[in-house]
Amino acid sequence: AQSVTQPDIHITVSEGASLELRCNYSYGATPYLFWYVQSPGQGLQLLLKYFSGDTLVQGIKGFEAEFKRSQSSFNLRKPSVHWSDAAEYFCAVVRRSGGSNYKLTFGKGTLLTVNP
Amino acid sequence: GAGVSQSPRYKVTKRGQDVALRCDPISGHVSLYWYRQALGQGPEFLTYFNYEAQQDKSGLPNDRFSAERPEGSISTLTIQRTEQRDSAMYRCASSLESGDRGGETQYFGPGTRLLVL
Repeated sequence: AQSVTQPDIHITVSEGASLELRCNYSYGATPYLFWYVQSPGQGLQLLLKYFSGDTLVQGIKGFEAEFKRSQSSFNLRKPSVHWSDAAEYFCAVVRRSGGSNYKLTFGKGTLLTVNP
Repeated sequence: GAGVSQSPRYKVTKRGQDVALRCDPISGHVSLYWYRQALGQGPEFLTYFNYEAQQDKSGLPNDRFSAERPEGSISTLTIQRTEQRDSAMYRCASSLESGDRGGETQYFGPGTRLLVL
């Protein structure tokens, strides 16, 4: 069975500092990987996704993520965090079960706090 | 519509009552998913529809949970005889069918927060 691990439950950074959120997956094949962000009272918003090709992907709001097959990782990064980035971040893997079913398996999330 | 909508946004019910949660996907989206998110956890898959056909219900926890999408658009998730352990955020997502792309992007609604007393 596949799984997604986000080792950090809660991270606190200062505004303007760099950020890296970790994500590791366990999957029998090259996965399709996603990062979603959940702000209070909001739905899950897609930040970026990796299907194939260039292992460094760019997303919205200045985020990027790098797929490292050797480490089974897909870490999310941002060079300079803004106070509005405070939210919960979820890494997810597509588990394809046949046909057009792309059900997602999510990690437990990392809560980001940004100090002024 | 502009995005996935869900109603109600909040639902408080007493144990033993039935509840129906509604999802209105993005217009033209073929695929529809339901997820459940407990406090402090990531969303977990419940069920999947392709048009009106429920093609995967492997995530439904027991037979008190059911879902339908009769006309291939709006979907309803029904929980019968609710229990306190059913309290969670219920999220709906929709996506375009993409054939063999393998990584279709799902767009999520705001969720329905269910509290069973």
